[in-house]
Amino acid sequence: KNQVEQSPQSLIILEGKNCTLQCNYTVSPFSNLRWYKQDTGRGPVSLTIMTFSENTKSNGRYTATLDADTKQSSLHITASQLSDSASYICVVSEMNDYKLSFGAGTTVTVRA
Amino acid sequence: KAGVTQTPRYLIKTRGQQVTLSCSPISGHRSVSWYQQTPGQGLQFLFEYFSETQRNKGNFPGRFSGRQFSNSRSEMNVSTLELGDSALYLCASSESGGAYYEQYFGPGTRLTVT
Repeated sequence: KNQVEQSPQSLIILEGKNCTLQCNYTVSPFSNLRWYKQDTGRGPVSLTIMTFSENTKSNGRYTATLDADTKQSSLHITASQLSDSASYICVVSEMNDYKLSFGAGTTVTVRA
Repeated sequence: KAGVTQTPRYLIKTRGQQVTLSCSPISGHRSVSWYQQTPGQGLQFLFEYFSETQRNKGNFPGRFSGRQFSNSRSEMNVSTLELGDSALYLCASSESGGAYYEQYFGPGTRLTVT
């Protein structure tokens, strides 16, 4: 069974600090990995999509890395802002298949 | 382009009733997927429709059904509601679905079953 595990489950950081979220997956064969940001009560919004040939992708203060060999990805948030408080979900898709495997998410709380 | 819209945004139903949720995808998108999101289970895939045909289905009971119209709008129906059906139901659209296409999510419908 394809699985996506995220850590930590939640974290609290001070405004202006950096943080890194982790995503480990067992999906195979791998197609792409996505990071979504979901604000409370809203639908997820895509931050990055990476295929197996991409190691790093940035979207503003968000930088995702991918190691397809070890099946690990991370999302780094630089100089956090209060608006970064949200749930971050890692989603992995299997090659030649539609179904997506979702992680449980990491809840980030940024405090002033 | 307008984003994905879902109606209604909030809904309260009684156990045993049925409910229909609606999703209008981004113009030009032909794939619509439905997800259930609960605090304990996270996001779970319900089904995907493409060109009025159900193309993929998750592991949900038959009480959950859906359909897609010729204009790509989609509806999801849940019959004989149970307390455990209380959740945020999200719809997502993409150009063609599949592993390579970006999905755009709607704001969701918050269903509460009492």
